Amino acid sequence: KAGVTQTPRYLIKTRGQQVTLSCSPISGHRSVSWYQQTPGQGLQFLFEYFSETQRNKGNFPGRFSGRQFSNSRSEMNVSTLELGDSALYLCASSLGQVKSYGYTFGSGTRLTVV
Amino acid sequence: QQQVKQSPQSLIVQKGGISIINCAYENTAFDYFPWYQQFPGKGPALLIAIRPDVSEKKEGRFTISFNKSAKQFSLHIMDSQPGDSATYFCAASSGTDKLIFGTGTRLQVFP
Repeated sequence: KAGVTQTPRYLIKTRGQQVTLSCSPISGHRSVSWYQQTPGQGLQFLFEYFSETQRNKGNFPGRFSGRQFSNSRSEMNVSTLELGDSALYLCASSLGQVKSYGYTFGSGTRLTVV
Repeated sequence: QQQVKQSPQSLIVQKGGISIINCAYENTAFDYFPWYQQFPGKGPALLIAIRPDVSEKKEGRFTISFNKSAKQFSLHIMDSQPGDSATYFCAASSGTDKLIFGTGTRLQVFP
């Protein structure tokens, strides 16, 4: 059974550019959540999508956006990149509510903004 | 209110010893408390989880102790092994809400 696939694994971008990260959840999982992981802040929730609808949103600026497609694949976009956006971006998929099914995380996309 | 405070930041334990990581929360609506284990280069993986209607849950060498009145929960790793060396995150959620994670504990187990 394939796990959660995130692409690309590594990305280097310049300040001011925009970036799109992709996440393919486990087959059958309709919930996809995105987290930002940094050494000082740990894992910070960005947003959750379920059946193409944003179900929950964290406290990040509007430069961070996401979407989910009909096949449950999800993308997140960061516009006007800042140095502070350098982080590991993790995608997690779930069959439904996290308390019933837990999250399965991908290995993440390491974004470096220079 | 929405935070989960985790300690210590790092922990060094001898092989065979007990590793203990603690977490505290304020939001009494939290009703699900999982622990995740993360190895370098990988995403976190669910290790064990507890709900507030029980005070302890054990799975192999891993035990969660839960103190509802103190709003604290902890992870105990018995007979710690070098393969347990990883970063551990506690987390909490309420209702259908997202998981709020602690800041992580880097555990190193030396042979």
